[in-house]
Amino acid sequence: DAGITQSPRHKVTETGTPVTLRCHQTENHRYMYWYRQDPGHGLRLIHYSYGVKDTDKGEVSDGYSVSRSKTEDFLLTLESATSSQTSVYFCAITGGDKFYEQYFGPGTRLTVT
Amino acid sequence: RKEVEQDPGPFNVPEGATVAFNCTYSNSASQSFFWYRQDCRKEPKLLMSVYSSGNEDGRFTAQLNRASQYISLLIRDSKLSDSATYLCVVTLTGGGNKLTFGTGTQLKVEL
Repeated sequence: DAGITQSPRHKVTETGTPVTLRCHQTENHRYMYWYRQDPGHGLRLIHYSYGVKDTDKGEVSDGYSVSRSKTEDFLLTLESATSSQTSVYFCAITGGDKFYEQYFGPGTRLTVT
Repeated sequence: RKEVEQDPGPFNVPEGATVAFNCTYSNSASQSFFWYRQDCRKEPKLLMSVYSSGNEDGRFTAQLNRASQYISLLIRDSKLSDSATYLCVVTLTGGGNKLTFGTGTQLKVEL
């Protein structure tokens, strides 16, 4: 299995509070991604990174920011959490010799009350 | 219209059956194609890539029809452990290798 961990694995927070989710990889891969998964929508890309300090928006980036100061870490921040951001968040990496194949972390279940 | 469409199922099949899933994609510029498997409350895992010539991995066969923008997955001799949701995934060239996921087809294999 690819070396990807996410923390926390579960979190309950209140509307309006900031939340940061962490993705950590040990594969030294260049590309990292944040997705959210909701019933009826499948996985949707929030933001992705193509290198240290290099990030770009996905299809559902509003309300989220990201940072990547080291190859191994990709942080997702909800500046002011809303109930619509209750979801399961997955981090993924790609790179190495199979560039187009992505490998996912175990996910973070976030509930915003 | 969704970019990647799948029948959500569920497909309930007896053990040993052959089952086929279909997927259509809307962007003719799509370049790479995959099937992922997702168990309940788990992360998606890559099952197999899909090539124009078709490819097989044990009991699993994937086919791609670019002209019809159609992808299929065939599972032969279904096992109880095949019960999962199967996600059809496409990607475009360039642009950070962003994947577009279908909402998945649920398979339940029963005794």
